[in-house]
Amino acid sequence: EVQLLESGGGLVQPGGSLRLSCAASGFNFNNHAMTWVRQAPGKGLEWLSGISGSGGSTYYADSVKGRFTISRDTSENTLYLRMNSLRAEDTAIYYCAKAIDGYSYGNLDFWGQGTLVTVSS
Amino acid sequence: QSVLTQPPSASGTPGQRVTISCSGSGSNIGSNTVNWYQQLPGTAPKLLIYSSNQRPSGVPDRFSGSKSGTSASLAISGLQSEDEADYYCAAWDDSLKGVVFGGGTRLTVL
Repeated sequence: EVQLLESGGGLVQPGGSLRLSCAASGFNFNNHAMTWVRQAPGKGLEWLSGISGSGGSTYYADSVKGRFTISRDTSENTLYLRMNSLRAEDTAIYYCAKAIDGYSYGNLDFWGQGTLVTVSS
Repeated sequence: QSVLTQPPSASGTPGQRVTISCSGSGSNIGSNTVNWYQQLPGTAPKLLIYSSNQRPSGVPDRFSGSKSGTSASLAISGLQSEDEADYYCAAWDDSLKGVVFGGGTRLTVL
């Protein structure tokens, strides 16, 4: 059974940093691209970043480029999102999602339950 | 303002057929396939349609997708109360080098 378990969310002050984790199980982690998608309260979905199955390619939305870094640890089957210089507008539920193959960053066939990040003083 | 444009709302009565549109441009829908997601209240999104017209296993054949040019559509036939949810389209954008989502359509079953 595929499982994605996000952690690391919480309350952080503006300008602060946070690292989200997504522990994956139930599938061959190396064979699938992984992504982060967020949803601000009462708003729609926003794709943030994707990383290829091999980890050799990464992509970012303009809204987080230079502030967020996606990475993956194949030995731990874990996806990460390092978030720096956080702003109030980064407040959202952050979902990790599994792509159907190693490179289809928009074909997300399984999602975690999300972790809430609140940026506030 | 989302890169992909969806109507904010749609509605239908049980048994009806409804369609939700998704309009983009040559760099996203015009060049790549479209995926559709269903998000029930308080839950994570679920893949409904991938590669413009393919259904993952377990998705009822009441749901279908199509694409023409720079637009795509999701059709739901035999509408049921449990279809009440938010629906999002998404596609890779060659210019932005990332995935773009539509703003979402809230479907109400009257």
